[in-house]
Amino acid sequence: DSGVTQTPKHLITATGQRVTLRCSPRSGDLSVYWYQQSLDQGLQFLIQYYNGEERAKGNILERFSAQQFPDLHSELNLSSLELGDSALYFCASSALNEQFFGPGTRLTVL
Amino acid sequence: KNEVEQSPQNLTAQEGEFITINCSYSVGISALHWLQQHPGGGIVSLFMLSSGKKKHGRLIATINIQEKHSSLHITASHPRDSAVYICAVRSWKDDKLIFGTGTRLQVFP
Repeated sequence: DSGVTQTPKHLITATGQRVTLRCSPRSGDLSVYWYQQSLDQGLQFLIQYYNGEERAKGNILERFSAQQFPDLHSELNLSSLELGDSALYFCASSALNEQFFGPGTRLTVL
Repeated sequence: KNEVEQSPQNLTAQEGEFITINCSYSVGISALHWLQQHPGGGIVSLFMLSSGKKKHGRLIATINIQEKHSSLHITASHPRDSAVYICAVRSWKDDKLIFGTGTRLQVFP
């Protein structure tokens, strides 16, 4: 158990819908990272937050957005969902650059 | 060409064999990570390296910064080592993680 929690574990939705994925980092970790793992693209970095502020941005689509709240939990919002957004979404928190991954949310868009 | 290349893509072994997975990268890095992903999907960080060698139990990771190459070794492999092993580098330019495509290892009894 990494200490990072993600909810929900599974999410099935339809194209065009909007979903919110939630992540709680390990106690004391200020950084939260979001990653997408799809079958054809592998793991890709989406976005990083540090203590509530956006720190770095990767291959995140404009339809996706994220935020980190004062209690340090983070949410990833995915809107206008497409079939290709089906993937595993991981968050990770870090201390001294070592990353601790959550169990992931498996999103299926039908 | 991918910035992080792993080889082999797939690997099968008999229990007890010594296993090596290789990772080459083409960008400047501040650190390299080895991750393990089990069939259930969860990802565990095995090592974070910026130089030299690290050992944890039956796992050994080495990195050669000049050659931009890292290896992950598993001694006395066991069926429970069956997983996907992913190499990821932290770019020094923007601190982002760039992932390899992973090596799928199956160890048979």
